[in-house]
Amino acid sequence: EAGVTQFPSHSVIEKGQTVTLRCDPISGHDNLYWYRRVMGKEIKFLLHFVKESKQDESGMPNNRFLAERTGGTYSTLKVQPAELEDSGVYFCASSQELKSTEAFFGQGTRLTVV
Amino acid sequence: AQSVAQPEDQVNVAEGNPLTVKCTYSVSGNPYLFWYVQYPNRGLQFLLKYITGDNLVKGSYGFEAEFNKSQTSFHLKKPSALVSDSALYFCAVRDSLRYSSASKIIFGSGTRLSIRP
Repeated sequence: EAGVTQFPSHSVIEKGQTVTLRCDPISGHDNLYWYRRVMGKEIKFLLHFVKESKQDESGMPNNRFLAERTGGTYSTLKVQPAELEDSGVYFCASSQELKSTEAFFGQGTRLTVV
Repeated sequence: AQSVAQPEDQVNVAEGNPLTVKCTYSVSGNPYLFWYVQYPNRGLQFLLKYITGDNLVKGSYGFEAEFNKSQTSFHLKKPSALVSDSALYFCAVRDSLRYSSASKIIFGSGTRLSIRP
């Protein structure tokens, strides 16, 4: 069974440009989460999808971030325009329906804004 | 609100000695608790979880964790450390009351475990 995959693994962009990160969850997992770790700090929650619906987007930092999950399969996280403080590692995770189940994480996308 | 605290940024242990990585939590309902590990240039890997039942849970690579409700703690332990255990460890919690399905998991700041030969 394939795990959670994220693309790209690394991205270096200039301030003001746009970047789109992609996450493919484990097949059959309705729950999809986006997290971010900045400068070695804690892993911060950004957003939670249940199928194609946004269940919780309380962690989205501002309106420069847009997440979508059309059709309830893969998800994209777009940053437009990117700022220097957006640099960090963006993790995607997926889990099954039950609250007791763990989330499975992708390798992460390291975003560097210069 | 949910929160997790890992009071130690770094833990240093000699190979063969027991190790403990500390974690305390705060949730409004009964907690679902998790430990994850991140090796260099890798994603987060699930180690173990506490949902209900026996307070001592066993996980991957010989790790175990003890749930203590009165102290709101979930410390990660291993009886004999290996150099290969050196990695970044994250404690995490999900509130069982919030939503009817699998809601977000909140992470601690991480503890870097260094095992010297």
